Amino acid sequence: DTEVTQTPKHLVMGMTNKKSLKCEQHMGHRAMYWYKQKAKKPPELMFVYSYEKLSINESVPSRFSPECPNSSLLNLHLHALQPEDSALYLCASSQDRTTGYTFGSGTRLTVV
Amino acid sequence: QKEVEQDPGPLSVPEGAIVSLNCTYSNSAFQYFMWYRQYSRKGPELLMYTYSSGNKEDGRFTAQVDKSSKYISLFIRDSQPSDSATYLCAMSGPLIQGAQKLVFGQGTRLTINP
Repeated sequence: DTEVTQTPKHLVMGMTNKKSLKCEQHMGHRAMYWYKQKAKKPPELMFVYSYEKLSINESVPSRFSPECPNSSLLNLHLHALQPEDSALYLCASSQDRTTGYTFGSGTRLTVV
Repeated sequence: QKEVEQDPGPLSVPEGAIVSLNCTYSNSAFQYFMWYRQYSRKGPELLMYTYSSGNKEDGRFTAQVDKSSKYISLFIRDSQPSDSATYLCAMSGPLIQGAQKLVFGQGTRLTINP
């Protein structure tokens, strides 16, 4: 299995809703990442988990809450989002090496 | 000044042409260099990874790194319409607690015309 699987593929939520994005990989990668990508922009790093511990938080607002239940799973909990949070949310994973990431296909989030 | 500069294009070339994509960077700590391809509404896909200065070839793709000039390139030979995508350069320094923090260029939108 050489994939990072993200669910759901599309999500529409209201500003008062609570939802979660899910990411799964079975490649034995020990680092997992959340990125946010707006249209025609590069991905922006949000969070990094390494060995199931949060190692980097790029000053992301608290309405985004990451969770790493085990080495294969990464969640992003969403609460009280704003319309400007609408974007493609990408999950990625990497080995304990410097050879780049494997990205998932992303969740396209629309906040209404 | 951004750490990584990449011309966003768009770049449009005829099928079969050689394509040259480039990035410059300012952070001397960057040691690892990657090129990703991203199709519309999909996640980025790793195309090439390089560590040292010099060239690396994989099929129709050649990645070139010049650390002295802080300049990297991706060449695509015999370009095909299926190569039409956004190409992102990415680079990083050493691992941070076992994780690799990538810094991306803006991405170049490439169209190959049949």
